[in-house]
Amino acid sequence: AQKITQTQPGMFVQEKEAVTLDCTYDTSDPSYGLFWYKQPSSGEMIFLIYQGSYDQQNATEGRYSLNFQKARKSANLVISASQLGDSAMYFCAMRESTDDKIIFGKGTRLHILP
Amino acid sequence: NAGVTQTPKFQVLKTGQSMTLQCAQDMNHEYMSWYRQDPGMGLRLIHYSVGAGITDQGEVPNGYNVSRSTTEDFPLRLLSAAPSQTSVYFCASSPQAGLHPWGQYFGPGTRLTVT
Repeated sequence: AQKITQTQPGMFVQEKEAVTLDCTYDTSDPSYGLFWYKQPSSGEMIFLIYQGSYDQQNATEGRYSLNFQKARKSANLVISASQLGDSAMYFCAMRESTDDKIIFGKGTRLHILP
Repeated sequence: NAGVTQTPKFQVLKTGQSMTLQCAQDMNHEYMSWYRQDPGMGLRLIHYSVGAGITDQGEVPNGYNVSRSTTEDFPLRLLSAAPSQTSVYFCASSPQAGLHPWGQYFGPGTRLTVT
């Protein structure tokens, strides 16, 4: 069964610093995909970045990058040069190739301090 | 495109009442799903569908029914509401089932309170 763990319930980071949000996962399927989503205080869910288990390089999207360590089963989200607008809940999610369920972690609430 | 729409935005039910949360998408997406979000619990998958006529259970399906008669619509039915079903419900869609790099598009959510 899939399992996603986000161990940081909350984080406080100074504006302009880099942020790493942790995500570990558990699967026996060699083929899977990992997703990160942002949920601002307004409530909408915003897709940020995707990493496939067979992708050769770590995914990047603007200020977002994924530190993918397959052997350790971790897929940490890195936000470079944080901004006040990055304050939000962040969720990690996974889908296995053999299962159409997309399972989410419990999330990390990020606070960016001015 | 309107994307993923959900109605109603807010709903208050009494214990034992039934209701249907509506979800529609206009992007011709094959894959649709329902999640509930509770404080400290993240998003938990209720039901999902990989195409019209096909539905399956997620992590927390008890007390909920779904159907997918068209590609566009994926309603969620609460059969007999209980206070434990008080939550924010999100509907989501993505172009297809299977592994692909596209994230899901989420609706704005329905905040449901059961008294």
